[in-house]
Amino acid sequence: GEDVEQSLFLSVREGDSSVINCTYTDSSSTYLYWYKQEPGAGLQLLTYIFSNMDMKQDQRLTVLLNKKDKHLSLRIADTQTGDSAIYFCAETGGGNKLTFGTGTQLKVEL
Amino acid sequence: EAGVVQSPRYKIIEKKQPVAFWCNPISGHNTLYWYLQNLGQGPELLIRYENEEAVDDSQLPKDRFSAERLKGVDSTLKIQPAELGDSAVYLCASSLGAGSQETQYFGPGTRLLVL
Repeated sequence: GEDVEQSLFLSVREGDSSVINCTYTDSSSTYLYWYKQEPGAGLQLLTYIFSNMDMKQDQRLTVLLNKKDKHLSLRIADTQTGDSAIYFCAETGGGNKLTFGTGTQLKVEL
Repeated sequence: EAGVVQSPRYKIIEKKQPVAFWCNPISGHNTLYWYLQNLGQGPELLIRYENEEAVDDSQLPKDRFSAERLKGVDSTLKIQPAELGDSAVYLCASSLGAGSQETQYFGPGTRLLVL
């Protein structure tokens, strides 16, 4: 079945860039998503990329997709303390079934 | 515009008791999803509705879990009887349609603790 993997933790200093990585196995993935989850809250959609794109930029967020290696990354420029959260990578294969990774906890230190 | 609404936000029950969660999707969204999120993990799909029809319930443990979306709008997820291992966050999401390009929007979730 589909599998999505992420590293568990990332710690950065405020003002630095954060890069969160994700690998997936489903070669039929059409859309790949990044969601943010703050403590006690639901998932907030940050951005997504269509599988025929290599890169997408949205303000401080840059998504890179290497379809050959099935590797997705999310770069957050000028990381702020408000960016501290858990970030989930997710992919859709057939239909609209989302398969999520385990999440990466981002900690932003002063 | 209101987002996905879920209630209650928190629920504590004893094992073997029944429990129900309610979800109201974003207005106009035909597709509704229930996800289970265990601690330290990503959400996993339990059931997906297109209007009032359950089109994917393969991951729903049907011996104790049931769901309904009678009028194709709001939905209820029930567990009867609850077990200790059911302690988790139950997330509801909705999307305009069911295609892979349709973005899913999530509610805040219901945190269930079974004692």
